[in-house]
Amino acid sequence: GQQVMQIPQYQHVQEGEDFTTYCNSSTTLSNIQWYKQRPGGHPVFLIQLVKSGEVKKQKRLTFQFGEAKKNSSLHITATQTTDVGTYFCAGYGQNFVFGPGTRLSVLP
Amino acid sequence: NAGVTQTPKFQVLKTGQSMTLQCAQDMNHEYMSWYRQDPGMGLRLIHYSVGAGITDQGEVPNGYNVSRSTTEDFPLRLLSAAPSQTSVYFCASSSSGYEQYFGPGTRLTVT
Repeated sequence: GQQVMQIPQYQHVQEGEDFTTYCNSSTTLSNIQWYKQRPGGHPVFLIQLVKSGEVKKQKRLTFQFGEAKKNSSLHITATQTTDVGTYFCAGYGQNFVFGPGTRLSVLP
Repeated sequence: NAGVTQTPKFQVLKTGQSMTLQCAQDMNHEYMSWYRQDPGMGLRLIHYSVGAGITDQGEVPNGYNVSRSTTEDFPLRLLSAAPSQTSVYFCASSSSGYEQYFGPGTRLTVT
């Protein structure tokens, strides 16, 4: 069945450093979504990418969708303590599947 | 708008007991889903609904039942609780099947 993987599983950064998480699907995706979940909270939608090679920015966050529509990345520039949480990708292939997430911790 | 609400927030069950997790949304969304979240495994889809009277199975449906009699409500029933069902359960809704709005979750422990 369809699988979505994310790397790394955990990332510890110093405040001000950059952070990137990568998402890879075993099948081609019609779109990909990114969610953020703060510790103890619920997932909150960040963005959706639909087009091959699409790049979208939200302030310090940059999202990319691969040319083959099987991978995506989220890059955070100059992390802040408010960026702490787990970042999930999720995509529509055969079904709607979430990746296992990347947990980000930011040391002040 | 309250968005997506879930009750209870916490629940402890004994093996073999049954219970219903409640989920309601006030955004008139067609799509509603139930997920379970276990450490290191992300969110796994249990059941979903594309409208009142229509439900379908997700990735991990065994041991759970759902129904959708109204647009607003989408309860999840555990038929006979097992320790493997200890998890955090999230309900979500969407107007288009794309951006999903999640409820605050129910933490369930089965002893």
